Amino acid sequence: GQNIDQPTEMTATEGAIVQINCTYQTSGFNGLFWYQQHAGEAPTFLSYNVLDGLEEKGRFSSFLSRSKGYSYLLLKELQMKDSASYLCAFSDSNYQLIWGAGTKLIIKP
Amino acid sequence: GAVVSQHPSWVICKSGTSVKIECRSLDFQATTMFWYRQFPKQSLMLMATSNEGSKATYEQGVEKDKFLINHASLTLSTLTVTSAHPEDSSFYICSACAPGTSGRVSHTQYFGPGTRLTVL
Repeated sequence: GQNIDQPTEMTATEGAIVQINCTYQTSGFNGLFWYQQHAGEAPTFLSYNVLDGLEEKGRFSSFLSRSKGYSYLLLKELQMKDSASYLCAFSDSNYQLIWGAGTKLIIKP
Repeated sequence: GAVVSQHPSWVICKSGTSVKIECRSLDFQATTMFWYRQFPKQSLMLMATSNEGSKATYEQGVEKDKFLINHASLTLSTLTVTSAHPEDSSFYICSACAPGTSGRVSHTQYFGPGTRLTVL
């Protein structure tokens, strides 16, 4: 079967670093996506990993280990505007996205 | 690039009326668009996959006669909620896959801003 799991909620301090983990199980895999969704808004694309390793994009980085079924999103130098839900999703053998429930990130001053 | 628009942004209607939501890819052609629904504090739920020039593929449990999807062109898909009822009140979001580079297929989904439907 297929499943994907990420923590429901995390809290971090402004200026700090936070890592949001995502684990998944699937027989067919075509990559792992991270999206950011602010309350009341649609998701916006952050990153896509299909090969193992770390992809860095400014303050955000995303990591993938296919053998472990594991990914994380790393946010550095946290800002208050980073308070949002972060959704991970993997692309299955039919290129359909299977979504996690999202991690609500709360940034405190 | 990869901009998706949705119209209207919000709509309030009476029970029993039909509501049409438009999803447009503004700067690319999208052979495939997706329609999602999201209830408050819940995750995205895929309703259907919309393919240009053919019938949409609906997810299990989604009534195709209630949620009519038309993907008449490479830049426009519409979702019509027929005979809407209060339980259909939700945040409806469409997405589209933008073309890849160097001839490669991209399956990154870019989302429209969403339509908030309230049925009284």
